[in-house]
Amino acid sequence: ILNVEQSPQSLHVQEGDSTNFTCSFPSSNFYALHWYRWETAKSPEALFVMTLNGDEKKKGRISATLNTKEGYSYLYIKGSQPEDSATYLCAVYYGGSQGNLIFGKGTKLSVKP
Amino acid sequence: DAGVIQSPRHEVTEMGQEVTLRCKPISGHNSLFWYRQTMMRGLELLIYFNNNVPIDDSGMPEDRFSAKMPNASFSTLKIQPSEPRDSAVYFCASSLFLSGGNEQFFGPGTRLTVL
Repeated sequence: ILNVEQSPQSLHVQEGDSTNFTCSFPSSNFYALHWYRWETAKSPEALFVMTLNGDEKKKGRISATLNTKEGYSYLYIKGSQPEDSATYLCAVYYGGSQGNLIFGKGTKLSVKP
Repeated sequence: DAGVIQSPRHEVTEMGQEVTLRCKPISGHNSLFWYRQTMMRGLELLIYFNNNVPIDDSGMPEDRFSAKMPNASFSTLKIQPSEPRDSAVYFCASSLFLSGGNEQFFGPGTRLTVL
């Protein structure tokens, strides 16, 4: 059974702090990794889709890196703002699984003003 | 585009009743996914379709659950008979193609409560 692990489970930071969290996954047959941002009472929204080892993507203050050989991805938020409060989901697609994304349980980020 | 549309947004029903959840994917998207979100298990994939054809329903919990996609713009998830343990938020998502390189677009979800 393929398992995508995210840590920490939850995180509380002050406004202005920079933070990061981890997604770990089995690297065999890896094809793509997705990061989603999920605000309370809304639906998940895609942040990044990454496929290449060493890939780094950035959207505003949020960036992500990918290591497919060792099976992990980091998500970084620079200068956290209260509006960054959300659950950040990582999902991995493996070759041959025909579209089946395996989701982690997420990291819940709370940013205090 | 209006995005993925789901209805109803909230459903409260009694144990034993039939429940039908509806989804309209983004126009032009070829793949559709049904997920269930619970506190215990997080986001679970129930079933997905490609070009209206079910590809993998191994995530469907039991025979009480069934899903159809009669055309490219409509899908249903049916629970018959419903049980209290089916209470959860059910999400529908669509993507352009059935490939891990394509992001999925999620609908607003249907919050189901079975009394």
